[in-house]
Amino acid sequence: AQSVAQPEDQVNVAEGNPLTVKCTYSVSGNPYLFWYVQYPNRGLQFLLKYITGDNLVKGSYGFEAEFNKSQTSFHLKKPSALVSDSALYFCAVRDPFDNYGQNFVFGPGTRLSVLP
Amino acid sequence: GAVVSQHPSRVICKSGTSVKIECRSLDFQATTMFWYRQFPKQSLMLMATSNEGSKATYEQGVEKDKFLINHASLTLSTLTVTSAHPEDSSFYICSARDVSTASSYNSPLHFGNGTRLTVT
Repeated sequence: AQSVAQPEDQVNVAEGNPLTVKCTYSVSGNPYLFWYVQYPNRGLQFLLKYITGDNLVKGSYGFEAEFNKSQTSFHLKKPSALVSDSALYFCAVRDPFDNYGQNFVFGPGTRLSVLP
Repeated sequence: GAVVSQHPSRVICKSGTSVKIECRSLDFQATTMFWYRQFPKQSLMLMATSNEGSKATYEQGVEKDKFLINHASLTLSTLTVTSAHPEDSSFYICSARDVSTASSYNSPLHFGNGTRLTVT
Protein backbone atom coordinates (compact mmCIF):
# COMPACT_ATOMS: atom_id res chain seq x y z
CA ALA A 1 0.00 0.00 0.00
CA GLN A 2 1.14 3.49 -0.71
CA SER A 3 2.01 6.02 1.98
CA VAL A 4 3.16 9.60 2.23
CA ALA A 5 5.22 11.32 4.90
CA GLN A 6 5.71 15.00 5.50
CA PRO A 7 8.35 15.14 8.21
CA GLU A 8 7.71 18.74 9.25
CA ASP A 9 4.49 19.82 10.93
CA GLN A 10 5.44 23.46 10.58
CA VAL A 11 7.79 25.43 8.36
CA ASN A 12 8.58 29.07 9.02
CA VAL A 13 10.30 31.23 6.46
CA ALA A 14 10.86 34.94 6.02
CA GLU A 15 9.19 36.69 3.12
CA GLY A 16 11.45 36.79 0.09
CA ASN A 17 13.44 33.76 1.16
CA PRO A 18 13.25 30.42 -0.62
CA LEU A 19 10.98 27.80 0.89
CA THR A 20 10.96 24.03 0.88
CA VAL A 21 8.22 21.73 2.10
CA LYS A 22 9.35 18.13 2.28
CA CYS A 23 7.55 15.00 1.16
CA THR A 24 8.62 11.38 0.93
CA TYR A 25 6.52 8.54 -0.38
CA SER A 26 6.24 4.79 -0.63
CA VAL A 27 4.51 2.98 -3.49
CA SER A 28 4.88 -0.34 -5.21
CA GLY A 29 5.51 1.07 -8.67
CA ASN A 30 6.23 4.41 -10.28
CA PRO A 31 4.21 6.97 -8.38
CA TYR A 32 1.84 9.68 -9.41
CA LEU A 33 2.62 12.58 -7.05
CA PHE A 34 0.64 15.70 -6.28
CA TRP A 35 0.82 18.82 -4.13
CA TYR A 36 -2.24 20.61 -2.82
CA VAL A 37 -2.66 23.75 -0.74
CA GLN A 38 -5.45 24.45 1.74
CA TYR A 39 -6.40 27.87 3.05
CA PRO A 40 -8.46 28.18 6.25
CA ASN A 41 -11.96 26.75 6.00
CA ARG A 42 -11.49 25.93 2.34
CA GLY A 43 -11.07 22.80 0.28
CA LEU A 44 -7.79 21.77 -1.30
CA GLN A 45 -6.41 23.48 -4.37
CA PHE A 46 -4.22 21.63 -6.85
CA LEU A 47 -0.71 23.04 -7.22
CA LEU A 48 1.21 20.61 -9.38
CA LYS A 49 1.79 16.98 -10.23
CA TYR A 50 4.47 14.59 -11.35
CA ILE A 51 3.51 11.72 -13.60
CA THR A 52 6.52 11.12 -15.80
CA GLY A 53 9.24 13.02 -17.62
CA ASP A 54 11.28 15.93 -16.30
CA ASN A 55 11.97 15.55 -12.60
CA LEU A 56 11.38 19.24 -12.00
CA VAL A 57 7.76 20.19 -12.40
CA LYS A 58 6.36 23.68 -12.27
CA GLY A 59 2.94 24.55 -10.97
CA SER A 60 0.64 27.31 -9.86
CA TYR A 61 1.66 30.48 -7.99
CA GLY A 62 5.37 30.04 -8.74
CA PHE A 63 5.69 26.70 -6.96
CA GLU A 64 7.77 23.85 -8.28
CA ALA A 65 8.65 20.40 -7.05
CA GLU A 66 11.48 18.01 -7.70
CA PHE A 67 10.94 14.29 -8.04
CA ASN A 68 13.84 12.23 -6.74
CA LYS A 69 13.33 8.55 -7.33
CA SER A 70 16.39 7.35 -5.43
CA GLN A 71 15.35 9.28 -2.33
CA THR A 72 11.64 8.66 -2.91
CA SER A 73 11.02 12.35 -2.36
CA PHE A 74 8.92 15.07 -3.95
CA HIS A 75 9.80 18.29 -2.16
CA LEU A 76 7.83 21.45 -2.88
CA LYS A 77 9.84 24.60 -3.47
CA LYS A 78 9.48 28.27 -4.24
CA PRO A 79 12.38 30.64 -4.87
CA SER A 80 10.86 33.61 -3.05
CA ALA A 81 8.13 33.17 -0.45
CA LEU A 82 5.16 35.51 -0.07
CA VAL A 83 3.13 36.13 3.05
CA SER A 84 0.10 34.98 1.05
CA ASP A 85 1.73 31.55 0.65
CA SER A 86 0.99 30.88 4.33
CA ALA A 87 -1.32 27.87 4.33
CA LEU A 88 -1.49 24.12 4.89
CA TYR A 89 0.25 22.03 2.24
CA PHE A 90 -0.51 18.42 1.45
CA CYS A 91 1.53 15.97 -0.55
CA ALA A 92 -0.42 13.10 -2.12
CA VAL A 93 0.43 9.94 -3.98
CA ARG A 94 -1.50 7.61 -6.17
CA ASP A 95 -0.29 4.15 -7.01
CA PRO A 96 -0.86 3.59 -10.74
CA PHE A 97 -1.21 -0.13 -10.08
CA ASP A 98 -3.99 0.36 -7.59
CA ASN A 99 -6.90 -0.62 -9.79
CA TYR A 100 -9.49 -0.52 -7.07
CA GLY A 101 -8.66 2.59 -5.15
CA GLN A 102 -9.11 5.70 -7.20
CA ASN A 103 -8.35 7.67 -4.14
CA PHE A 104 -5.20 9.50 -3.35
CA VAL A 105 -3.26 8.98 -0.14
CA PHE A 106 -2.52 12.29 1.53
CA GLY A 107 0.33 13.16 3.81
CA PRO A 108 -0.38 14.66 7.24
CA GLY A 109 0.14 18.19 5.99
CA THR A 110 2.72 20.88 6.67
CA ARG A 111 1.74 24.30 7.88
CA LEU A 112 3.77 26.99 6.16
CA SER A 113 4.09 30.38 7.80
CA VAL A 114 5.75 33.15 5.85
CA LEU A 115 6.76 35.97 8.11
CA PRO A 116 6.81 39.56 6.83
CA GLY B 1 -11.22 24.73 -14.98
CA ALA B 2 -13.14 22.01 -13.23
CA VAL B 3 -15.20 23.33 -10.33
CA VAL B 4 -16.72 21.41 -7.46
CA SER B 5 -19.40 23.18 -5.49
CA GLN B 6 -20.10 22.05 -1.94
CA HIS B 7 -23.09 23.29 0.03
CA PRO B 8 -23.63 24.42 2.70
CA SER B 9 -20.29 25.89 3.69
CA ARG B 10 -21.28 26.02 7.32
CA VAL B 11 -24.11 24.42 9.28
CA ILE B 12 -25.07 24.30 12.92
CA CYS B 13 -27.59 21.73 14.04
CA LYS B 14 -28.97 20.28 17.21
CA SER B 15 -28.02 16.86 18.47
CA GLY B 16 -30.28 14.16 17.05
CA THR B 17 -31.09 15.92 13.80
CA SER B 18 -29.84 15.01 10.34
CA VAL B 19 -27.81 17.18 8.02
CA LYS B 20 -27.40 16.83 4.27
CA ILE B 21 -24.30 18.08 2.45
CA GLU B 22 -24.28 18.40 -1.33
CA CYS B 23 -21.32 18.07 -3.65
CA ARG B 24 -21.77 19.10 -7.29
CA SER B 25 -19.41 19.03 -10.22
CA LEU B 26 -20.37 22.17 -12.11
CA ASP B 27 -18.70 21.80 -15.47
CA PHE B 28 -17.72 18.17 -15.71
CA GLN B 29 -19.07 14.72 -15.03
CA ALA B 30 -17.85 12.65 -12.15
CA THR B 31 -18.74 8.98 -11.89
CA THR B 32 -16.82 8.87 -8.66
CA MET B 33 -16.69 11.35 -5.82
CA PHE B 34 -14.90 11.09 -2.52
CA TRP B 35 -15.94 12.24 0.93
CA TYR B 36 -13.38 13.19 3.54
CA ARG B 37 -13.41 14.29 7.12
CA GLN B 38 -10.77 16.60 8.47
CA PHE B 39 -10.07 17.19 12.14
CA PRO B 40 -8.34 20.36 13.30
CA LYS B 41 -4.72 20.54 12.22
CA GLN B 42 -4.92 17.06 10.73
CA SER B 43 -4.91 15.53 7.30
CA LEU B 44 -7.89 14.36 5.33
CA MET B 45 -9.45 11.07 6.33
CA LEU B 46 -11.22 9.31 3.51
CA MET B 47 -14.68 8.29 4.64
CA ALA B 48 -16.17 6.80 1.53
CA THR B 49 -16.07 6.58 -2.23
CA SER B 50 -19.32 7.56 -3.88
CA ASN B 51 -20.14 5.79 -7.14
CA GLU B 52 -22.82 7.07 -9.49
CA GLY B 53 -25.71 4.65 -9.70
CA SER B 54 -24.38 2.20 -7.13
CA LYS B 55 -23.67 1.87 -3.45
CA ALA B 56 -20.90 3.82 -1.85
CA THR B 57 -17.77 2.10 -0.64
CA TYR B 58 -17.02 2.96 2.97
CA GLU B 59 -13.65 2.93 4.65
CA GLN B 60 -13.08 0.74 7.63
CA GLY B 61 -14.51 2.21 10.79
CA VAL B 62 -16.99 4.52 9.03
CA GLU B 63 -20.60 3.74 9.83
CA LYS B 64 -22.59 3.55 6.62
CA ASP B 65 -25.89 3.93 8.44
CA LYS B 66 -24.58 7.05 10.11
CA PHE B 67 -23.13 8.67 7.02
CA LEU B 68 -25.53 8.06 4.16
CA ILE B 69 -24.18 8.68 0.71
CA ASN B 70 -26.24 9.03 -2.44
CA HIS B 71 -24.77 9.58 -5.91
CA ALA B 72 -27.86 9.89 -8.04
CA SER B 73 -26.35 11.60 -11.06
CA LEU B 74 -23.03 12.23 -12.73
CA THR B 75 -22.82 15.66 -11.16
CA LEU B 76 -24.25 15.27 -7.67
CA SER B 77 -23.35 13.32 -4.57
CA THR B 78 -24.84 13.91 -1.14
CA LEU B 79 -23.65 13.01 2.33
CA THR B 80 -26.27 12.87 5.07
CA VAL B 81 -25.11 12.79 8.66
CA THR B 82 -27.97 11.07 10.45
CA SER B 83 -28.84 11.60 14.10
CA ALA B 84 -25.90 13.90 14.50
CA HIS B 85 -24.00 14.10 17.76
CA PRO B 86 -21.41 16.62 18.96
CA GLU B 87 -18.61 14.19 18.11
CA ASP B 88 -19.71 14.41 14.47
CA SER B 89 -18.69 18.06 14.45
CA SER B 90 -15.95 18.38 11.89
CA PHE B 91 -14.94 19.73 8.52
CA TYR B 92 -16.26 17.60 5.67
CA ILE B 93 -14.79 17.86 2.17
CA CYS B 94 -15.77 16.25 -1.10
CA SER B 95 -13.69 15.75 -4.22
CA ALA B 96 -14.19 14.50 -7.75
CA ARG B 97 -12.22 13.69 -10.85
CA ASP B 98 -13.16 14.68 -14.37
CA VAL B 99 -13.69 11.37 -16.16
CA SER B 100 -13.48 13.00 -19.55
CA THR B 101 -9.78 13.69 -19.22
CA ALA B 102 -7.48 11.56 -21.32
CA SER B 103 -6.27 9.55 -18.38
CA SER B 104 -8.20 9.89 -15.19
CA TYR B 105 -5.49 8.01 -13.35
CA ASN B 106 -3.11 10.92 -13.45
CA SER B 107 -5.53 13.79 -13.38
CA PRO B 108 -5.83 15.72 -10.13
CA LEU B 109 -8.80 15.62 -7.83
CA HIS B 110 -10.97 18.72 -7.68
CA PHE B 111 -12.15 19.66 -4.22
CA GLY B 112 -15.16 21.44 -2.86
CA ASN B 113 -14.62 24.20 -0.33
CA GLY B 114 -15.75 22.04 2.53
CA THR B 115 -18.58 22.13 5.06
CA ARG B 116 -18.03 23.05 8.68
CA LEU B 117 -20.54 21.04 10.72
CA THR B 118 -21.17 21.99 14.33
CA VAL B 119 -23.54 19.85 16.36
CA THR B 120 -24.77 21.43 19.58
